[in-house]
Amino acid sequence: DIQMTQSPSSLSASIGERVTITCRASQSINSYLNWYQQRPGKAPKLLIYTASGLQSGVPSRFSGSGSGTDFTLTISNLQPEDSATYYCQQSYDVPPITFGQGTRLEIK
Amino acid sequence: EVQLVESGGGLVQPGGSLRLSCAASGFTFSTYSMNWVRQTPGKGLEWISYISGTNGTIYYADSVKGRFTISRDNAKNSLYLHMNSLRAEDTGVYYCARDGVFVHLFDPWGQGTLVTVSS
Repeated sequence: DIQMTQSPSSLSASIGERVTITCRASQSINSYLNWYQQRPGKAPKLLIYTASGLQSGVPSRFSGSGSGTDFTLTISNLQPEDSATYYCQQSYDVPPITFGQGTRLEIK
Repeated sequence: EVQLVESGGGLVQPGGSLRLSCAASGFTFSTYSMNWVRQTPGKGLEWISYISGTNGTIYYADSVKGRFTISRDNAKNSLYLHMNSLRAEDTGVYYCARDGVFVHLFDPWGQGTLVTVSS
């Protein structure tokens, strides 16, 4: 199974700042990497597909990059509503489809 | 509007059974593969099962293989998860999620249904 490791596990940032979350796969997954946002008490929501594709309706402040084993999710100009937990997910070698453990983002 | 609504969660004793349902609307259900994903306190988000739209392909996570059965009724626009031999570690929120057209992704998700396995 492909293991997905996110870092950091949690972070805190101020409104207007830029943050980067990293996801590393245990083996190459090409660009088969998706990112989700989960606000407290809500279901996850797709943000980025195949490493860098911005899902319809998602603000352009969100961007993704990477290929192979190393990927990043960048959120620019942080807003209060970005307070959430972010998950990466690989779909290269399935089953199983696997997620990272999540990164909790707190807005100061 | 694409919508997924889960139901059927609840409190069940260890060793018991439960059937979850997911009602789909706003899209041509039969043309999409579907998934069940759960969120447990100990393991975060965990994909547990996949079913294709029409050709019968089914996958399970090892943690539920042999205990859970995924099925669908395209005439009723519904997805199901039959859960047997439930354990405490199966406790969590269960989501149904539509699969992607070209890659396995989850969009959208239902609101989730809580399953609690406890005596």
